[in-house]
Amino acid sequence: GAVVSQHPSWVICKSGTSVKIECRSLDFQATTMFWYRQFPKQSLMLMATSNEGSKATYEQGVEKDKFLINHASLTLSTLTVTSAHPEDSSFYICSASRRRTGGRAFGDTQYFGPGTRLTVL
Amino acid sequence: RKEVEQDPGPFNVPEGATVAFNCTYSNSASQSFFWYRQDCRKEPKLLMSVYSSGNEDGRFTAQLNRASQYISLLIRDSKLSDSATYLCVVNRQRDSNYQLIWGAGTKLIIKP
Repeated sequence: GAVVSQHPSWVICKSGTSVKIECRSLDFQATTMFWYRQFPKQSLMLMATSNEGSKATYEQGVEKDKFLINHASLTLSTLTVTSAHPEDSSFYICSASRRRTGGRAFGDTQYFGPGTRLTVL
Repeated sequence: RKEVEQDPGPFNVPEGATVAFNCTYSNSASQSFFWYRQDCRKEPKLLMSVYSSGNEDGRFTAQLNRASQYISLLIRDSKLSDSATYLCVVNRQRDSNYQLIWGAGTKLIIKP
């Protein structure tokens, strides 16, 4: 159980285009989804946290108008990189967590998708 | 100062050796601690949680020192397949969510 899929696995696009990445929890309901970005030889950097049905919370320095996040259902979140530029080339990873019995958020385990490698030419 | 710090390595270790990594964290309010491993161009995978009393899972032992704010990972009888980047992760609360704060990782290379 607790499988998270992510599509596409990799994408190459021209500068100025928009790219949508999907993150799905396949066998559980994800109350919270996280979007990360990882540049080569660097740690994962949290971009935003999204709770189903509410607006995403973006980390400092992440432009919400450039990285549009939609968490419309308990099994799907999307990240759209708008007007992508070469500096947006990175490894984008989503994760999903589910609440433990009792509804407390404490210590939720995050399940990771396989990541999307974006290359902007 | 980074919230979670690790020695980036790489650690070059012969097969069968024992190797240990440390990780320090700065936020004393951190509540949960983990070690993940990440293979090249793959997503991170949970290796083990780190409990206050220390815990062991086969060849892997994790320890937590809250007073000094560091956690450690010990790998015994290392295998070639242990070659990976090991990520120290700290969980902290923000509003109603819990966030994972990631170290940059320690690269381990096991040589035959």
